[in-house]
Amino acid sequence: DAKTTQPDSMESTEGETVHLPCSHATISGNEYIYWYRQVPLQGPEYVTHGLQQNTTNSMAFLAIASDRKSSTLILPHVSLRDAAVYHCILRGGTGSKLSFGKGAKLTVSP
Amino acid sequence: DPKIIQKPKYLVAVTGSEKILICEQYLGHNAMYWYRQSAKKPLEFMFSYSYQKLMDNQTASSRFQPQSSKKNHLDLQITALKPDDSATYFCASSQNRDWGSQNTLYFGAGTRLSVL
Repeated sequence: DAKTTQPDSMESTEGETVHLPCSHATISGNEYIYWYRQVPLQGPEYVTHGLQQNTTNSMAFLAIASDRKSSTLILPHVSLRDAAVYHCILRGGTGSKLSFGKGAKLTVSP
Repeated sequence: DPKIIQKPKYLVAVTGSEKILICEQYLGHNAMYWYRQSAKKPLEFMFSYSYQKLMDNQTASSRFQPQSSKKNHLDLQITALKPDDSATYFCASSQNRDWGSQNTLYFGAGTRLSVL
């Protein structure tokens, strides 16, 4: 799996829209961009994923740059429950494992 | 209701003993995985299974042995336990091992193992 770069941490306030950036300059054509989040004492939770087009679901909006070298996870109207470590991961090909890094810790204040 | 059940949630063991971590998934998935997370470290891939067959093994020690008695079961046997084995062990599953547009990995809540 290719490497991604995320900020170590970000801070926000309840109700704000949060933009979590991820850089993946060496992404391959067949690699999907996956986002997971993890809170203490729980397993990682799937957030969203995409290949080329922007995607949206009930949890987040994923904006993917046209050259695919970066992406941004957009969390609208965050609540305290959105506080977690967010992982941006590239995954592609047959059998390639999901490799987690340190991720970006999102803190949400009341 | 959780679809991936890991038992027990907490486990305390003495050095040198043997323990089995249980994982069952009720998602109808064909691929299952084990990951480990030590204190303040990233999640680390250990094993992957597809249709009850071992596909990937990233664990150097033979003390860690996955066991798949049923398609939706993937237990992890750990022998000769050491304090360094203390970690949270996460089981995961996906529809298939081949990753595609809709093949998402889902995780259980983990088993927290402490070796004294």
